[in-house]
Amino acid sequence: GEDVEQSLFLSVREGDSSVINCTYTDSSSTYLYWYKQEPGAGLQLLTYIFSNMDMKQDQRLTVLLNKKDKHLSLRIADTQTGDSAIYFCAESPYNFNKFYFGSGTKLNVKP
Amino acid sequence: NAGVTQTPKFQVLKTGQSMTLQCAQDMNHNSMYWYRQDPGMGLRLIYYSASEGTTDKGEVPNGYNVSRLNKREFSLRLESAAPSQTSVYFCASILDRTSYEQYFGPGTRLTVT
Repeated sequence: GEDVEQSLFLSVREGDSSVINCTYTDSSSTYLYWYKQEPGAGLQLLTYIFSNMDMKQDQRLTVLLNKKDKHLSLRIADTQTGDSAIYFCAESPYNFNKFYFGSGTKLNVKP
Repeated sequence: NAGVTQTPKFQVLKTGQSMTLQCAQDMNHNSMYWYRQDPGMGLRLIYYSASEGTTDKGEVPNGYNVSRLNKREFSLRLESAAPSQTSVYFCASILDRTSYEQYFGPGTRLTVT
């Protein structure tokens, strides 16, 4: 399968910005995603970016894509305690038959 | 509109027992997926069904079978459970190739002793 890698943990203070990074290997990926998982729950789509885009902003979330380096990042501005969760990076090819997930980054927001 | 539902939420099996995990979606989605989630390993695709009547293997299909009973339902069967199958299992669905968002169920936590 494809490799999607993320760091395992990130700790920030409330009000700071959080940046979660992801690298992937499949250059044919069409969509790249960020999902959020709260304890005991399934995954919820936060945002996505199409592979021909460099940046996407959605309220407090900014996604940056460096296609040359196969690097994806998620910036959360003004991080709140409610943002504490596991964040997964994922990619899929054009036909959406398969999705490849990273191992998840656990974000801890300290009050 | 319940989205994606899974039953049961929790299950404990002894090695060698069999069971079926149920998944249903009420969003008229064409494609459905089964994943397992293990600590530090993210989600790995077990099987998927691109449309009613079709199923295909994912990354980790060994020890599992699936049935796409109809458009709504996609079940995952463990014929002879092993401790290595202790995991959290998620079902997901997506409308079709024009869509991009997978919707996930709440998960089934399975322990095999």
